[in-house]
Amino acid sequence: GAVVSQHPSWVICKSGTSVKIECRSLDFQATTMFWYRQFPKQSLMLMATSNEGSKATYEQGVEKDKFLINHASLTLSTLTVTSAHPEDSSFYICSARDITGSNSPLHFGNGTRLTVT
Amino acid sequence: GQNIDQPTEMTATEGAIVQINCTYQTSGFNGLFWYQQHAGEAPTFLSYNVLDGLEEKGRFSSFLSRSKGYSYLLLKELQMKDSASYLCAVTTSGTYKYIFGTGTRLKVLA
Repeated sequence: GAVVSQHPSWVICKSGTSVKIECRSLDFQATTMFWYRQFPKQSLMLMATSNEGSKATYEQGVEKDKFLINHASLTLSTLTVTSAHPEDSSFYICSARDITGSNSPLHFGNGTRLTVT
Repeated sequence: GQNIDQPTEMTATEGAIVQINCTYQTSGFNGLFWYQQHAGEAPTFLSYNVLDGLEEKGRFSSFLSRSKGYSYLLLKELQMKDSASYLCAVTTSGTYKYIFGTGTRLKVLA
């Protein structure tokens, strides 16, 4: 089955630093990847749609200069949280869909728990 | 805009049947998906509906009525390990983005 690998699983950083999260599709190609964040006991909130070879599409209210997304290849998207603050502490999850099916299920990475101190 | 609603919490007994509802209002509906998520883990895919009717998959079934903007996930023969959050998600035509509902936390009691 399709596997999405996300790294790191958890990270603790100091306020003001930047953190990069990687999302890789291991056995399929993904022109589109999605980045979500999730606060405790809440649902997944879509942050942005990452498109291979072009700019990401951000959801309303998500700062594109703070959450930098790069989708340089068909198997890798990265999310960089720049100048992180404690309120950015959250669970970040990436997901991808098999290139062959636009209505196929999303495959999720295992998530990255970010704690900003 | 888009709106996807689910009950916040439900409790059921081991061995019982539980139905988790999801109502949605979206423009350009494409499909509806159900995911299970255990605390601290990524969601895992359970089922999806594109057309009206019931889709059965072992102990899990999902139903869709597009005219009513309504779906439910039915879990039979509940087990303790079914205690988790259940998320419904809708994809819309054109963007194929997944928009998740508020999620339902299910507790299965012995």
